[in-house]
Amino acid sequence: SAVISQKPSRDICQRGTSLTIQCQVDSQVTMMFWYRQQPGQSLTLIATANQGSEATYESGFVIDKFPISRPNLTFSTLTVSNMSPEDSSIYLCSVDGQGSDTQYFGPGTRLTVL
Amino acid sequence: SQQGEEDPQALSIQEGENATMNCSYKTSINNLQWYRQNSGRGLVHLILIRSNEREKHSGRLRVTLDTSKKSSSLLITASRAADTASYFCATVGRWADGLTFGKGTHLIIQP
Repeated sequence: SAVISQKPSRDICQRGTSLTIQCQVDSQVTMMFWYRQQPGQSLTLIATANQGSEATYESGFVIDKFPISRPNLTFSTLTVSNMSPEDSSIYLCSVDGQGSDTQYFGPGTRLTVL
Repeated sequence: SQQGEEDPQALSIQEGENATMNCSYKTSINNLQWYRQNSGRGLVHLILIRSNEREKHSGRLRVTLDTSKKSSSLLITASRAADTASYFCATVGRWADGLTFGKGTHLIIQP
């Protein structure tokens, strides 16, 4: 299994600002995923990030709002841009299980926008 | 969009009892997985069942899958206080790699 860390673990931000969340994996992985979990809700896939190509966004999520970088096989960032209180959520990254369909999740970043 | 629907949304039982959670989905799937989340933190993978499987066991966990009804169930036997968590089913479609999660069941084990 992969060990995944995220930074920051939590943050409180002002509306209109941007926050970049980092996701680091202890091994090289092909695919990384970013999910959002709004308060009291389930997880929703934001985008899939493959190294060396543009991220693929799910319906309802756009690159201008959630730009993603994937500079190498162990690292990715998600930026939440021009934040509003509706962006208050837990943001989680995950990686594919390298040969299995299971995914390994990071601990999440709890974002509060005031 | 959310595909899975968990039933019940919340479940409270006594320690030692069995807990059953159900999940329904809408589209064709490659496999169905169950995850646990403690206190809004990262998810832990519990078990995966493929579309050509009907039942799978792992320790105190038993998962069933009925593709004709597009439903799955997760049974936790001999529950423990440490099983208190939210449980989510998640599906992988035939062409997609990301997971589509259900709404989740919040399980509380009373000591």
